[in-house]
Amino acid sequence: NAGVTQTPKFRILKIGQSMTLQCAQDMNHNYMYWYRQDPGMGLKLIYYSVGAGITDKGEVPNGYNVSRSTTEDFPLRLELAAPSQTSVYFCASRGTGASPLHFGNGTRLTVT
Amino acid sequence: AQTVTQSQPEMSVQEAETVTLSCTYDTSESDYYLFWYKQPPSRQMILVIRQEAYKQQNATENRFSVNFQKAAKSFSLKISDSQLGDAAMYFCAYISREGGSQGNLIFGKGTKLSVKP
Repeated sequence: NAGVTQTPKFRILKIGQSMTLQCAQDMNHNYMYWYRQDPGMGLKLIYYSVGAGITDKGEVPNGYNVSRSTTEDFPLRLELAAPSQTSVYFCASRGTGASPLHFGNGTRLTVT
Repeated sequence: AQTVTQSQPEMSVQEAETVTLSCTYDTSESDYYLFWYKQPPSRQMILVIRQEAYKQQNATENRFSVNFQKAAKSFSLKISDSQLGDAAMYFCAYISREGGSQGNLIFGKGTKLSVKP
């Protein structure tokens, strides 16, 4: 059971570069999320999706974009990377009702 | 808007002893779910325990149990017989049963638990 798969695990970007963080889940979950976690802090929601073709902003969406063309995939796009985007990024998915979040293993991103 | 508060940034416990981590939340809804997640140094987010608000019985998972006080909006986590592997950040989380915020879990800021040998 793969669960939620995130790639890459680590990445270093230069200021102004762009990249896409990949996220895929094989549990047929409708809900998918992207969070960022700054050092010593909790999780902040960047974007989420309630199903294919539907996305919406979370608490900290600026500088990011997402798409959800399929149920399985929910990539996060960083345009014009800035040092403030240095963080650990988590993708997660969940089913309905009392279903908990299933997390990927995270991506550590450094922007220098 | 719902909020989740963890008032203890850090806690420490002696190995084999019991520790309780606090969590309070604010909501106007009556039906919701609560979770505790553990994040060890490996960074993985691991579900520890869940509680459904309409169930009066407190959830238990082996050495982990909760004290759910719905009227007080309190959801504390008790870890019995603490082990070195319990050292981690612990996050409390809330979600409306109706998926109020579009199915988003609302997290507290976390409590860092240290276990002394």
